[in-house]
Amino acid sequence: DAGVTQSPTHLIKTRGQQVTLRCSPKSGHDTVSWYQQALGQGPQFIFQYYEEEERQRGNFPDRFSGHQYPNYSSELNVNALLLGDSALYLCASSPRGPGNTIYFGEGSWLTVV
Amino acid sequence: DQQVKQNSPSLSVQEGRISILNCDYTNSMFDYFLWYKKYPAEGPTFLISISSIKDKNEDGRFTVFLNKSAKHLSLHIVPSQPGDSAVYFCAASLNSGGSNYKLTFGKGTLLTVNP
Repeated sequence: DAGVTQSPTHLIKTRGQQVTLRCSPKSGHDTVSWYQQALGQGPQFIFQYYEEEERQRGNFPDRFSGHQYPNYSSELNVNALLLGDSALYLCASSPRGPGNTIYFGEGSWLTVV
Repeated sequence: DQQVKQNSPSLSVQEGRISILNCDYTNSMFDYFLWYKKYPAEGPTFLISISSIKDKNEDGRFTVFLNKSAKHLSLHIVPSQPGDSAVYFCAASLNSGGSNYKLTFGKGTLLTVNP
């Protein structure tokens, strides 16, 4: 049983460019969340998707957007990249409902130069 | 505003001894707490969780204690093993409000277990 898988693992982008990160949730999980982890910090919640809609959003600008597909996989898009967007981007999945464990992928390392 | 705080950036213990990692929170609405372990270049791995209706939860070598009045929780690892060396994150959520997907994390504590 595959866990949460993310791609790409590492990427380098230039300021002003756009990036798309992809996530496949763990089998049986229909809810996907995205987190940003800057160096030396804990992960910060970006947003959560369920039934192909954004259900909750953290304190991130509109440059951060996402999508969820019918097969529950998800994308995170970041436009007009800034140097400060350099971070580890983590995808997390869980079944819908309270008390369910949230599982994380290994993350996508984004470096903006 | 750091709602979840891990005030010790690092902790070093001897193999076989107890490791105690601490976490404080400020939002009294949090009702579900989790601990994750993270190795370099890997995503966080779930360790153990506790609901606010309990004050203790145990899973093998790992025990989490919750003191709601003090808004404090701790993770005990007994006995500590070198393979436990990692960054440990405390996280909290509003489970009953249906917002259990939004985890608020602390900054983490680097645990080093020396052989």
